[in-house]
Amino acid sequence: GQQLNQSPQSMFIQEGEDVSMNCTSSSIFNTWLWYKQDPGEGPVLLIALYKAGELTSNGRLTAQFGITRKDSFLNISASIPSDVGIYFCAGQGGSEKLVFGKGTKLTVNP
Amino acid sequence: ETGVTQSPTHLIKTRGQQVTLRCSSQSGHNTVSWYQQALGQGPQFIFQYYREEENGRGNFPPRFSGLQFPNYSSELNVNALELDDSALYLCASSFMAGVETQYFGPGTRLLVL
Repeated sequence: GQQLNQSPQSMFIQEGEDVSMNCTSSSIFNTWLWYKQDPGEGPVLLIALYKAGELTSNGRLTAQFGITRKDSFLNISASIPSDVGIYFCAGQGGSEKLVFGKGTKLTVNP
Repeated sequence: ETGVTQSPTHLIKTRGQQVTLRCSSQSGHNTVSWYQQALGQGPQFIFQYYREEENGRGNFPPRFSGLQFPNYSSELNVNALELDDSALYLCASSFMAGVETQYFGPGTRLLVL
């Protein structure tokens, strides 16, 4: 099935560092979403983006909807140990269904 | 905690068998979507149910079928299980089809031997 290109696949960082991950698609999307998934749980929505160029923050998280509508990025500032997990981007086009990336696994060393 | 529950949490089946997975929606939600998440992959959309009718389907064969009940709970049925069906199956409930209001359950881990 279709999946978005999400990078990097994994990241190992020190507590306090900033993190950046991104997602690209060959298709245009109307909505970009970023989720976090912890072990044994379902994904939890972090940020939703609805308009090309939109920049939205949620605490230490900032995400942007690319101008071309084919990409998005997520930044996490001043990482803390509880940021550990797998981050997924997801896009929604006209068909209403969500298409997910393969995820970025984040490890934060205290 | 999202209020979306799934049962069972884990399941082991053999090839060719049939399986039924269950999902209870969050209170007030009338739409349920099902996803398959293989190990190391993102969730893949299977189908969505809105008011007991299928409302969109992903690229999955007909042996994947579903039901939604009047109380908006849902079932996912998979017939003639194959080894590649081993995955985490997630349901997500929402009000209408709004993906931004979609809350995921913890999933059912299915292993097909």
